[in-house]
Amino acid sequence: DSGVTQTPKHLITATGQRVTLRCSPRSGDLSVYWYQQSLDQGLQFLIQYYNGEERAKGNILERFSAQQFPDLHSELNLSSLELGDSALYFCASSRQGGDQPQHFGDGTRLSIL
Amino acid sequence: GQQVMQIPQYQHVQEGEDFTTYCNSSTTLSNIQWYKQRPGGHPVFLIQLVKSGEVKKQKRLTFQFGEAKKNSSLHITATQTTDVGTYFCALTNTGNQFYFGTGTSLTVIP
Repeated sequence: DSGVTQTPKHLITATGQRVTLRCSPRSGDLSVYWYQQSLDQGLQFLIQYYNGEERAKGNILERFSAQQFPDLHSELNLSSLELGDSALYFCASSRQGGDQPQHFGDGTRLSIL
Repeated sequence: GQQVMQIPQYQHVQEGEDFTTYCNSSTTLSNIQWYKQRPGGHPVFLIQLVKSGEVKKQKRLTFQFGEAKKNSSLHITATQTTDVGTYFCALTNTGNQFYFGTGTSLTVIP
C-alpha cells in the first residue's frame, strides 16, 4: 500500500461529458503529480502541484485542469471527453517535489463510450 | 524537447537468465530514477542515481548511471518469475517536468 488514494477506481462515461478524478496524497507529502497511461502513449506526465501551487506542466490538454486544495488532496478535471481520453490516470505524491521518489496510487481507469 | 529512449521495448527470458534494460537521454541529467510496474499495478519506485558512474545494487538488481550522465542501465541477475513487469527510467528536466522512459516489458518464462 503506497498510501496514495485515488477515487473512483473505474469510471465509464460518454463522449462530451465531464469527470473529476480525486487523489489523496501520502500523509506528509506536499507534492502531487498526475499522469496518463495509455497503451500507445506510455506514461505521460500531465501536471504537478506543490503545496497548493502549480509547479510544472507537461502534456496536459486545455480540456483538462487540476488543482490542489489546502488539505493537499488534488482533483483532475477532464471535460469535453473524447474516445482518445480513455486511459489509466495515475496520481503520485512525494515529500517535496523535484527529484524525490514518487509514490503512486492504484489509478483511475477511465473508459469513454 | 526531452527525449528518453529505453531499449529493448520487450524482453522474454527463461527463468534464471539475466536481463538488462537501457535508458538513454538526449541531454545530461542531474539524476535518474527507476520504477517497476507489475501487470495491472502501479509504478513502484526502485532507486535513484545521482553521481556520474554511480552503481547501486538491490539484491539481484544492479543499477548504473553513465559517466556522462546521459544514460543508465538496470541489470537483473538470474531472473525469477517475480521480476515480471515493466521497468521504467524517469527523469526531471530543468523545468521540473517529469519524463518517464518508454519502458521495457519483461516476461520471464518458467
